[in-house]
Amino acid sequence: AQKITQTQPGMFVQEKEAVTLDCTYDTSDQSYGLFWYKQPSSGEMIFLIYQGSYDEQNATEGRYSLNFQKARKSANLVISASQLGDSAMYFCAMSKTSGSRLTFGEGTQLTVNP
Amino acid sequence: DTEVTQTPKHLVMGMTNKKSLKCEQHMGHRAMYWYKQKAKKPPELMFVYSYEKLSINESVPSRFSPECPNSSLLNLHLHALQPEDSALYLCASSHNDRGRGPLHFGNGTRLTVT
Repeated sequence: AQKITQTQPGMFVQEKEAVTLDCTYDTSDQSYGLFWYKQPSSGEMIFLIYQGSYDEQNATEGRYSLNFQKARKSANLVISASQLGDSAMYFCAMSKTSGSRLTFGEGTQLTVNP
Repeated sequence: DTEVTQTPKHLVMGMTNKKSLKCEQHMGHRAMYWYKQKAKKPPELMFVYSYEKLSINESVPSRFSPECPNSSLLNLHLHALQPEDSALYLCASSHNDRGRGPLHFGNGTRLTVT
């Protein structure tokens, strides 16, 4: 079975600063994918970034980067230069690359202060 | 704007009503999903369609009935719901159901059962 743990129910950051959202995972699969999604209060789940278990380089997408440490089973999301619009719930998720089930963590509510 | 469109955005229904949620995507994706999300919790998988066939039913009560008329459309028919079924219902699609690449979510339908 797969499990995602997000230990930070809430995080606060000042505008323009960087913030790291923690995610650890547990799986016995050798091949898997790791995802981060953003969910504003409007409800839409917005895909941010993906890391495959065999990818050697950390994924980056604009201001988002994924700090992937396979041996520690962690996949932390780093948001650089935070903006007020980054205030939202952030979910870490994983899937088997041989299947379609997406396992989500409990989420981290990020608040960006002006 | 999201590439997965869900209608309606909000729905209020009584326990004896019959209603349907609709989802449409034009990205050529061959896997489509229904998720249920309660407030401040992660989404929970309900159904997966792969190439227009139901491939996963996560033991969802029969008062929820999915339908995939074609590769672009996904419906969720609702009948005799309970107040505890009130939630945000999210539709998603992906290239296929093999777990590679992200799920693309719609904005969701906020359902209230009275």
